[in-house]
Amino acid sequence: GQNIDQPTEMTATEGAIVQINCTYQTSGFNGLFWYQQHAGEAPTFLSYNVLDGLEEKGRFSSFLSRSKGYSYLLLKELQMKDSASYLCAVLDSNYQLIWGAGTKLIIKP
Amino acid sequence: GAVVSQHPSWVICKSGTSVKIECRSLDFQATTMFWYRQFPKQSLMLMATSNEGSKATYEQGVEKDKFLINHASLTLSTLTVTSAHPEDSSFYICSARDPQTDFSPLHFGNGTRLTVT
Repeated sequence: GQNIDQPTEMTATEGAIVQINCTYQTSGFNGLFWYQQHAGEAPTFLSYNVLDGLEEKGRFSSFLSRSKGYSYLLLKELQMKDSASYLCAVLDSNYQLIWGAGTKLIIKP
Repeated sequence: GAVVSQHPSWVICKSGTSVKIECRSLDFQATTMFWYRQFPKQSLMLMATSNEGSKATYEQGVEKDKFLINHASLTLSTLTVTSAHPEDSSFYICSARDPQTDFSPLHFGNGTRLTVT
């Protein structure tokens, strides 16, 4: 079966750095997405990785290792507004998007 | 960038009535749109894939006669919840990809919060 694992919840301090991990086992791979979802709102796109390595975009970076079936989302200089759920999703060989359950990130002052 | 518009943002209806939700791609043509449902504190659940000019593909366990999907044009898909019941109360979100852009991410509408009383 297809499976995406990410921690259910994480807590971090304002101004700090947090890394949210995602491991996946899917039938084929055509890229991995990270989305941010605030409570009661629709997800918004953060990043896309299809090749191994680190993609940096401002305070957010995303890393991919295809051989390990592993990705992480790195958030720097955390702000209170970063409190949200972060969803990892993989595009499989049929171009179907497989979703993780999301990681709820709680930022404390 | 690509924008997906969803309407209404929220709706309250009585049990037994039907509710229509619209999803529009504003600056690209979407041959395929996706309908998701999300219950509180749960992950997104794909309900169906809407295909322009053909029948929608429903995920296992989703009643196609209850959740009617129409994708009559390249920029509009509608989801109609028929004979709604309180257990249908949920957050419904549509999404679409821009097929002209390689590996375009899914762009989401703002969602529709449905409450059935």
